[in-house]
Amino acid sequence: GQQVMQIPQYQHVQEGEDFTTYCNSSTTLSNIQWYKQRPGGHPVFLIQLVKSGEVKKQKRLTFQFGEAKKNSSLHITATQTTDVGTYFCAQSPRAGSGYALNFGKGTSLLVTP
Amino acid sequence: GAVVSQHPSRVICKSGTSVKIECRSLDFQATTMFWYRQFPKKSLMLMATSNEGSKATYEQGVEKDKFLINHASLTLSTLTVTSAHPEDSSFYICSARGPAGQGMNTEAFFGQGTRLTVV
Repeated sequence: GQQVMQIPQYQHVQEGEDFTTYCNSSTTLSNIQWYKQRPGGHPVFLIQLVKSGEVKKQKRLTFQFGEAKKNSSLHITATQTTDVGTYFCAQSPRAGSGYALNFGKGTSLLVTP
Repeated sequence: GAVVSQHPSRVICKSGTSVKIECRSLDFQATTMFWYRQFPKKSLMLMATSNEGSKATYEQGVEKDKFLINHASLTLSTLTVTSAHPEDSSFYICSARGPAGQGMNTEAFFGQGTRLTVV
């Protein structure tokens, strides 16, 4: 399947600082999803982006899908300790329940008070 | 949202024994479920796609005789790690995407995961 590259691998911030993780593909993506996995937990769906240039917000989280649909970003404003976890981008070849997701390698976020 | 339940959450077994992991969709029918493996601080690697009533589709490099998948009903898929060895120790997670036609077929719902330790 299509490969999505994610950077950085790790990020350590002070509480209150901003955080961004980036997801890139060499080919055009039909969609991009973002998941959060807390330490010891399982991935939890955050959002899906489908349209070129799409921007969606969830409180302090802002998700963007690039104009060329080859990259995406997740930005967290004023991080809190509850934001700790690993953030994964993922994509599937097309919509529908029969298609597996291909995950990026994830960005592990550590927030210190 | 939909709930996927995975059991057991932790298991320790001896080398050479087999371990069965169950994955259930509690409030929706999942014709397709997915099994992933995750190493510490690593991403999720798709092992196989489990199809209800038919054979699973394995990813390249995954031994189908070692990782037996059965999807006998629309709400249950099982992964059996046969003749387990220490290198099989890992975090195994199942997932199902929401049913089509109900606005849920985009996101994936994950089980809680099973941490397998083979000693």
